Amino acid sequence: DTGVSQDPRHKITKRGQNVTFRCDPISEHNRLYWYRQTLGQGPEFLTYFQNEAQLEKSRLLSDRFSAERPKGSFSTLEIQRTEQGDSAMYLCASSPRQGGNEKLFFGSGTQLSVL
Amino acid sequence: AQSVTQPDIHITVSEGASLELRCNYSYGATPYLFWYVQSPGQGLQLLLKYFSGDTLVQGIKGFEAEFKRSQSSFNLRKPSVHWSDAAEYFCAVGARLGGNTPLVFGKGTRLSVIA
Repeated sequence: DTGVSQDPRHKITKRGQNVTFRCDPISEHNRLYWYRQTLGQGPEFLTYFQNEAQLEKSRLLSDRFSAERPKGSFSTLEIQRTEQGDSAMYLCASSPRQGGNEKLFFGSGTQLSVL
Repeated sequence: AQSVTQPDIHITVSEGASLELRCNYSYGATPYLFWYVQSPGQGLQLLLKYFSGDTLVQGIKGFEAEFKRSQSSFNLRKPSVHWSDAAEYFCAVGARLGGNTPLVFGKGTRLSVIA
């Protein structure tokens, strides 16, 4: 069990560029969550997968954001046409089949800076 | 919808002193409550959680929290703070045990520890 892994740890991009982040959950965790955390705020829910199905999306997830979990294992979060307001820490979390939201394990996050 | 308020943005305590971090929640049903800690540049680590039963719950690193339904509070305490406790602390509320509803986090309290 190597924990939740996120890549890259840091990403600096120019406004208007597309970026993609990857999250590898703990193996056999069937639930995967994406959160966004801005400076001085707590994590805010973006979207949630159970296996490969995206079951819930926050209204924070604009149409420039898309998340996938094609084989029910790793997940990607893509932001198109980045804006300065997208600068944040993007956190991934996973939980086992038996446990739900009370057994969340977080990754170290991807820090995005949009210049 | 549930919400969490952490009234203190920043607290400074002396090493060895006691600590209490405040958390108030709003939720129409029985809440499931959590405290997470986040060190700089890191993901969130679960300190403790309350689901039911004894209203005083023990967590890792010597932390405890007490659920008070009448005050809608779930304050985190530690009798003697260590310098390594300096971090950001987040209170969170979940809607349903084992459910998929994402956790809602407070804005956090930053703890500084001085010698």
